[in-house]
Amino acid sequence: AQKVTQAQTEISVVEKEDVTLDCVYETRDTTYYLFWYKQPPSGELVFLIRRNSFDEQNEISGRYSWNFQKSTSSFNFTITASQVVDSAVYFCALSETMIKAAGNKLTFGGGTRVLVKP
Amino acid sequence: DVKVTQSSRYLVKRTGEKVFLECVQDMDHENMFWYRQDPGLGLRLIYFSYDVKMKEKGDIPEGYSVSREKKERFSLILESASTNQTSMYLCASSLLAGGNYNEQFFGPGTRLTVL
Repeated sequence: AQKVTQAQTEISVVEKEDVTLDCVYETRDTTYYLFWYKQPPSGELVFLIRRNSFDEQNEISGRYSWNFQKSTSSFNFTITASQVVDSAVYFCALSETMIKAAGNKLTFGGGTRVLVKP
Repeated sequence: DVKVTQSSRYLVKRTGEKVFLECVQDMDHENMFWYRQDPGLGLRLIYFSYDVKMKEKGDIPEGYSVSREKKERFSLILESASTNQTSMYLCASSLLAGGNYNEQFFGPGTRLTVL
């Protein structure tokens, strides 16, 4: 069975500090996808990034960066120079590759609440 | 922009009532999903549907049923609400995978309280 673990339940930082969110996953599939979503106080989950299991290159998007390490089954997320608007709950998720014409299923971690103080 | 809407942001019901949560998406997505979100547990899949009138159980289907009569609409039904179904319910939709995975787009959620 698939499993996603986000060991940090809450992280509190002061604005401009960097913050790294850990994500460790378990799967028996050789091909899979990993995701990060952000849930601001409004409640709606916002898609941040998708990475497939064959692409281990790190990715940077503005102040966000992701470190995918297949050898340790980790897909960590770093916010550089955090801002108050980054305060949200962040979810890591895992999906198996579809081999039939049916819906994809995401397995979510428990989420990490990030609080950025001014 | 993909838009997923849910019929209510907040709902209060009594134990034993039949509850309907409605979700509508406007991007012609084949897949639709219902999750519940609880603190520390993340999102857990209740049911999903990949076509009209088709449904598949997720990880926690007990106590719930679903209906998909039209492509754009996916309903979650609590036949007899119980207090342990107090939770945040999130609907999502996505394109059919077809060999490539497509991200899910989420609605704003319905916070259901069962008294």
